[in-house]
Amino acid sequence: GESVGLHLPTLSVQEGDNSIINCAYSNSASDYFIWYKQESGKGPQFIIDIRSNMDKRQGQRVTVLLNKTVKHLSLQIAATQPGDSAVYFCAENFEGNKLVFGAGTILRVKS
Amino acid sequence: DSGVTQTPKHLITATGQRVTLRCSPRSGDLSVYWYQQSLDQGLQFLIQYYNGEERAKGNILERFSAQQFPDLHSELNLSSLELGDSALYFCASSVEGGGAQNIQYFGAGTRLSVL
Repeated sequence: GESVGLHLPTLSVQEGDNSIINCAYSNSASDYFIWYKQESGKGPQFIIDIRSNMDKRQGQRVTVLLNKTVKHLSLQIAATQPGDSAVYFCAENFEGNKLVFGAGTILRVKS
Repeated sequence: DSGVTQTPKHLITATGQRVTLRCSPRSGDLSVYWYQQSLDQGLQFLIQYYNGEERAKGNILERFSAQQFPDLHSELNLSSLELGDSALYFCASSVEGGGAQNIQYFGAGTRLSVL
């Protein structure tokens, strides 16, 4: 059949506002999760990670929250800037070394 | 710059042909991973090598193969190419072979167009 492109959800935020990007993961046995940012024409860039024995981890302007009960991850970006515009992927570490990526979310920052 | 180098950046070829994609990992990294990113499938894990040995396999077609050389660079060979193989191919590297907090760093990718 005809293949169609993935329809990625888009989050539009005003510059200076906080952004929250959500992700549902599939495997309750996954022990490690990573957020990547991918700008146009570039490879995925590591942002922040979290182990399954934690609920929250903070970095510079970013925070990752993990809810294992409902298999949900979120990435919070404080004071969003135009340079934050990109596609954001969550990934779960499956079977020790395989990263399984979510479909991605497009973040658009309006100036 | 992640420190992972991929060549070439772009590759245009015809159906039925064979191509080789090359990856140099970050200095000190022993693991190399290959991923395919297409419009309809997203980012898919293909294969991992650790210190020259195959460590894990994902959704890699039989027409595709990879290897990691003693200097730790890796090559992904794609043969009998089909239109559907057009995609971005990424290489990533990490220090360890697996486990939590084994961060994978990605190269800029090779864009393959099969005409």
